[in-house]
Amino acid sequence: AQKVTQAQTEISVVEKEDVTLDCVYETRDTTYYLFWYKQPPSGELVFLIRRNSFDEQNEISGRYSWNFQKSTSSFNFTITASQVVDSAVYFCALSAYSGAGSYQLTFGKGTKLSVIP
Amino acid sequence: EPEVTQTPSHQVTQMGQEVILRCVPISNHLYFYWYRQILGQKVEFLVSFYNNEISEKSEIFDDQFSVERPDGSNFTLKIRSTKLEDSAMYFCASSEVGGGALNEQFFGPGTRLTVL
Repeated sequence: AQKVTQAQTEISVVEKEDVTLDCVYETRDTTYYLFWYKQPPSGELVFLIRRNSFDEQNEISGRYSWNFQKSTSSFNFTITASQVVDSAVYFCALSAYSGAGSYQLTFGKGTKLSVIP
Repeated sequence: EPEVTQTPSHQVTQMGQEVILRCVPISNHLYFYWYRQILGQKVEFLVSFYNNEISEKSEIFDDQFSVERPDGSNFTLKIRSTKLEDSAMYFCASSEVGGGALNEQFFGPGTRLTVL
């Protein structure tokens, strides 16, 4: 069974601060994919990144960066110089072969980020 | 850019009524999914669908739920007799393949179902 834990329920930061959102996952599969999604107040799910289990390179995209460490089963997400528009709920998710022909996503409970101007 | 669409954006219904939520996946995608998010909670998998049949379903997806791809473009979720606890945001998703490098699931904007 797959499990994703986002221990931080809510985080508040002042604009321009850096913030890291934690994600820890559990799976017995050797091939799996990790995702981050952003859910703004409007409710849609916005895809941010996908990593596969064989690629532990960290990734940077503008103010966003991701740190994937298989040794600690973590896939943390850092926003540098946060902005008010970053305020949202962020979900970490895991996709692994379920054995029944599909790769369902298992989501964490989400971290609500509030960026205060 | 191709996208997943869902209708309606908001559905209000009385307890016990049947509802059908509609989704149009991205045209060349082969795998389709429904997820549910109760307000303030995490997104939960309901069902996956491939080759005109359910490939997997969660324990949430009981006999009250059914899915169908009636015409090769739409993908529907039917709730036969709605309960108050079915109130949630329902997301449809599709992916080109089930696994591998192209397994990214693209989500629709969601349908907010309110059961009164």
